[in-house]
Amino acid sequence: SYVLTQPPSVSEAPGQTARITCGGDNIGIKSVHWYQQRPGQAPVLVVHDDSVRPSEIPDRFSGSNSGNTATLTINRVEVGDEADYYCQVWDSSTDHPLFGGGTKLTVL
Amino acid sequence: EVQLVESGGGLVQPGGSLRLSCVASGFTFSNYNMNWVRQAPGKGLEWLSYINSRSSIIYYAESVKGRFTFSRDNAKNSLYLQMNSLRAEDTAVYYCASVAYDSSGYLDFWGQGTLVTVSS
Repeated sequence: SYVLTQPPSVSEAPGQTARITCGGDNIGIKSVHWYQQRPGQAPVLVVHDDSVRPSEIPDRFSGSNSGNTATLTINRVEVGDEADYYCQVWDSSTDHPLFGGGTKLTVL
Repeated sequence: EVQLVESGGGLVQPGGSLRLSCVASGFTFSNYNMNWVRQAPGKGLEWLSYINSRSSIIYYAESVKGRFTFSRDNAKNSLYLQMNSLRAEDTAVYYCASVAYDSSGYLDFWGQGTLVTVSS
């Protein structure tokens, strides 16, 4: 079955750029979606279809997808961005969402 | 405003049963495919089950197949997850989530979750 691989953790200083990757076999041909989950809260969609941002999400969040890696980029990272981030694709062979293992973003 | 509100979680003994509910509001529920996703303490997101808008297609993760039953009542804007033969490893926060309409499969709205604890 298809596997999405994320680094367990990423750290970045406030004001810098954080990049969270999601690896998968030829993931570039799939639509990748990203969720932010703050401690004790439900996941929130921050990017869908590789790079589309819901209207309520700050434009500091962006996404890209090519080859075997999709990337969520957070510019000018803030302490409030500290959260777990999950990538997701739709597994069309079994008709369900497939999640990466999640990445904990720490803003030092 | 779109809302998904889960209920029915609690403490249950191993081997016991529990029924979760999820009530939707703020959108045309009957048009949307829905999912249950859970998160064990300190772990990632695990998809459990999918149901299409008309209940004609239902899928389950292997981890719950044969033990959990996903259903919906469009007249009541509600989802249900009947969980039987519960195990310690079913301890988790359970979320209902909608698949964005006519999309590539992203989950646009999530409930706040309900905690299920399986313990003696």
